[in-house]
Amino acid sequence: NAGVTQTPKFQVLKTGQSMTLQCAQDMNHNSMYWYRQDPGMGLRLIYYSASEGTTDKGEVPNGYNVSRLNKREFSLRLESAAPSQTSVYFCASSEAWQWGSTEAFFGQGTRLTVV
Amino acid sequence: AQRVTQPEKLLSVFKGAPVELKCNYSYSGSPELFWYVQYSRQRLQLLLRHISRESIKGFTADLNKGETSFHLKKPFAQEEDSAMYYCALSGPLEYGNKLVFGAGTILRVKS
Repeated sequence: NAGVTQTPKFQVLKTGQSMTLQCAQDMNHNSMYWYRQDPGMGLRLIYYSASEGTTDKGEVPNGYNVSRLNKREFSLRLESAAPSQTSVYFCASSEAWQWGSTEAFFGQGTRLTVV
Repeated sequence: AQRVTQPEKLLSVFKGAPVELKCNYSYSGSPELFWYVQYSRQRLQLLLRHISRESIKGFTADLNKGETSFHLKKPFAQEEDSAMYYCALSGPLEYGNKLVFGAGTILRVKS
């Protein structure tokens, strides 16, 4: 019953530090996503991966990199953290089919503070 | 470009009153539309999708392609409906199944 697992749940970084947010899903989904959630801005797509071996930019990719390590894992890296990256980050996965996405399943979120 | 607009940041209604959460979208093809809900201290989860035409927890949503809208409705609000609601859009496989969300609407149901 794991679904989508994100680590860590909380993190405080100093400006300029780097870190990687990990995400793994056990539902054999092809598509995986990283979002950030900010008050008044909703969920904004950072990067997504339609299938293993492919990644694409979303709405707000600047300052982030991603790796689709295998079908299960999709990591998000902040190379040089900035206060503007303080947010709650969500990973999600879904299956892809001809007309669109199936139901997306979300991780519990990572609350990141950059000071 | 895919875009989802939810014009209301906060909707406050009394218990038993009708609820309508607005969602408009911009997409050149035939998208899949969804409503997701985030209850306090819970994960974001699917509420309903237009293709299934279901009523979940008394909520319904009709896709209006002419007005490019997918408004969420419930005839009688309950206190347990208080949550953040997100409208979302997904494109077809040829465009990578990109899943885009709106800014969300907080629904508060008062007793």
